[in-house]
Amino acid sequence: EIVLTQSPGTLSLSPGERATLSCRASQSISSSYLAWYQQKPGQAPRLLIYGASNRATGIPDRFSGSGAGADFTLAISRLEPEDFAVYYCQQYGISSMYTFGQGTKLEIK
Amino acid sequence: QVQLVQSGSELKKPGASVKVSCKASGYTFSSSAMNWVRQAPGQGLEWMGWITTNTGNPTYAQGFRGRFVFSLDTSVSTAYLQISSLKAEDTAVYYCARVSALAYSFDIWGQGTMVTVFS
Repeated sequence: EIVLTQSPGTLSLSPGERATLSCRASQSISSSYLAWYQQKPGQAPRLLIYGASNRATGIPDRFSGSGAGADFTLAISRLEPEDFAVYYCQQYGISSMYTFGQGTKLEIK
Repeated sequence: QVQLVQSGSELKKPGASVKVSCKASGYTFSSSAMNWVRQAPGQGLEWMGWITTNTGNPTYAQGFRGRFVFSLDTSVSTAYLQISSLKAEDTAVYYCARVSALAYSFDIWGQGTMVTVFS
């Protein structure tokens, strides 16, 4: 089973700053199978990025994804107040199984 | 519009069973597999497994084999999650989520169903 490790666990930043979130896989994965989600309190997760670098429908261009192999990054160029949330990476892999990372909480400093 | 609407919150005693529904609308139900995701209070997302909506073939993640059953009623475009022999640790929000046609990601999510198991 592939394990996804996200870092940091919590990121404290101010609106307008740049956020960089990391997702590391326990082995190399296809970038086609790496996605990022945003979840706000009391809400269902929302798809942000699929295929490691493709923004989902309606996602602002301040969100970007990159990476390959076992290291992937979600960047938010200029934080807006509504961006403070928990972010999860997800991969699809062996035996048609999915796994999620443990999440990164992005909080207002 | 494309949406998944789940059944309401459930309060159950240990040992009971619960069945959560997820009704799809706005798209062809059989075109996208349906996933189930668990989120315990204050915890992260845990993928439980999925069911193909054209053949009804389920796949269960490790830890969700035995007491958890995925099923379909294609006549009403609805997926179901049944949990038997409920335990306190099953207390969580359960989400259904559709696999995107573009890539192996979940583009549409239900609103979640809170299942509380208490004695």
